[in-house]
Amino acid sequence: GAVVSQHPSWVICKSGTSVKIECRSLDFQATTMFWYRQFPKQSLMLMATSNEGSKATYEQGVEKDKFLINHASLTLSTLTVTSAHPEDSSFYICSASSTRREEQFFGPGTRLTVL
Amino acid sequence: EDQVTQSPEALRLQEGESSSLNCSYTVSGLRGLFWYRQDPGKGPEFLFTLYSAGEEKEKERLKATLTKKESFLHITAPKPEDSATYLCAVSGANSKLTFGKGITLSVRP
Repeated sequence: GAVVSQHPSWVICKSGTSVKIECRSLDFQATTMFWYRQFPKQSLMLMATSNEGSKATYEQGVEKDKFLINHASLTLSTLTVTSAHPEDSSFYICSASSTRREEQFFGPGTRLTVL
Repeated sequence: EDQVTQSPEALRLQEGESSSLNCSYTVSGLRGLFWYRQDPGKGPEFLFTLYSAGEEKEKERLKATLTKKESFLHITAPKPEDSATYLCAVSGANSKLTFGKGITLSVRP
C-alpha cells in the first residue's frame, strides 16, 4: 500500500517552455501533497504544500507564479514549471499523506533538464 | 526552527559488519521522526516512523530507536543491497518534514 507515482520520470525541454509534472496516489486518498526539489548530493527542500481543493502554500523563496501547483482531487496533484530556465533543472519529487497517518509517501521523482 | 543533523556523512562497511547511523534533532512539538531510504535517481522509500522516546521498530536487518534528542538506525549484518542513502526527517508542530542531509552507506561484498 501507499504507492505514489510521478509522470514523466524525466523530461528535457527548451528554455522558455513550460513543463507539467503529475503526481498520483494510487491506493489511498491524499488529503495533502507536497512538492520537493533535490539538488545533487543534497537533501530534499520543500517547495510547497497543497491540500485538495485549496490553494498551495509555498515556502519562502519559492516563486508561486513560476511553480504552479494544482491539487484538483484526492489522488492527483500537478506541478507546472512555467517559462523554465536552465537554473530550474533539478530533481523534483512529490509526496502524499492522508489524515490517518503522519508519514509522507514519496513518488519516484522527475528529472527536469532545461536546455 | 526544526533542525536535523545526520552523521557520519558516508559510511563504508564490509558485508556482515554491523553499525549504526545517527540522527540528532531539535524540533518544536515532535509529531514523528521518520527514516527513509533513497537509491540514486529515485524518490525516498519509507522505512520507519517513531513517535516517542524509547520507541523501537525493526524491519529485516534494520532497527530504529529514538531518544529525546536523537535517533539511531542500526544495521545488523548488512548486505550489498543495503547500500543507499538513508534520510532522517522530523515533523514538528507545523507538520512539515525537515530532512537531514542523509548518510550514504556503501556495503562491500
